[in-house]
Amino acid sequence: DQQVKQNSPSLSVQEGRISILNCDYTNSMFDYFLWYKKYPAEGPTFLISISSIKDKNEDGRFTVFLNKSAKHLSLHIVPSQPGDSAVYFCAATLYQTGANNLFFGTGTRLTVIP
Amino acid sequence: KAGVTQTPRYLIKTRGQQVTLSCSPISGHRSVSWYQQTPGQGLQFLFEYFSETQRNKGNFPGRFSGRQFSNSRSEMNVSTLELGDSALYLCASSSWTGGNEQYFGPGTRLTVT
Repeated sequence: DQQVKQNSPSLSVQEGRISILNCDYTNSMFDYFLWYKKYPAEGPTFLISISSIKDKNEDGRFTVFLNKSAKHLSLHIVPSQPGDSAVYFCAATLYQTGANNLFFGTGTRLTVIP
Repeated sequence: KAGVTQTPRYLIKTRGQQVTLSCSPISGHRSVSWYQQTPGQGLQFLFEYFSETQRNKGNFPGRFSGRQFSNSRSEMNVSTLELGDSALYLCASSSWTGGNEQYFGPGTRLTVT
């Protein structure tokens, strides 16, 4: 029962263009969302997060958008760089319950073409 | 500040054996969570320890267990290994419980033959 879904297993984008990675969730109780980036042979690295009380959060080239009514979030990377090529995971958690377990999507492999 | 470390990095075991994996969190972090990553299922939560107590548990059989020591280091044990236990086991630490960002180690790649 996958509560967080990333329906695109892969995405290719030209360097300098925008990368948009999408994520859907089914549990309306999720109140905190995170994006992680993972390179081969390394653990996931935290990128950016957003609370359910917001609909947008920016950090440099990375912006996360949250649409609670659609249970959808997206990560925008502008401009995309070859070093951004990695697998991106979205994750959700029940922040208010104090639970610290993250529910992850299955990941999207981003390839930025120079 | 040193990151999360996991030992060993790679492990090969035979069906029916048992295995213990170790995780040292970032200094000062008291919460340690364990995840299993497989190609088909992605990252799935195993359990979380905080101040030597298991606070949360995922949907895994009792063959999977863990513990945390007073210095916050954690171990995960899998008994009676099955072929399906082959996976990357990731440990993550955070400074407090409650959904804030977690810092992951590089993982232990377990292969069961």
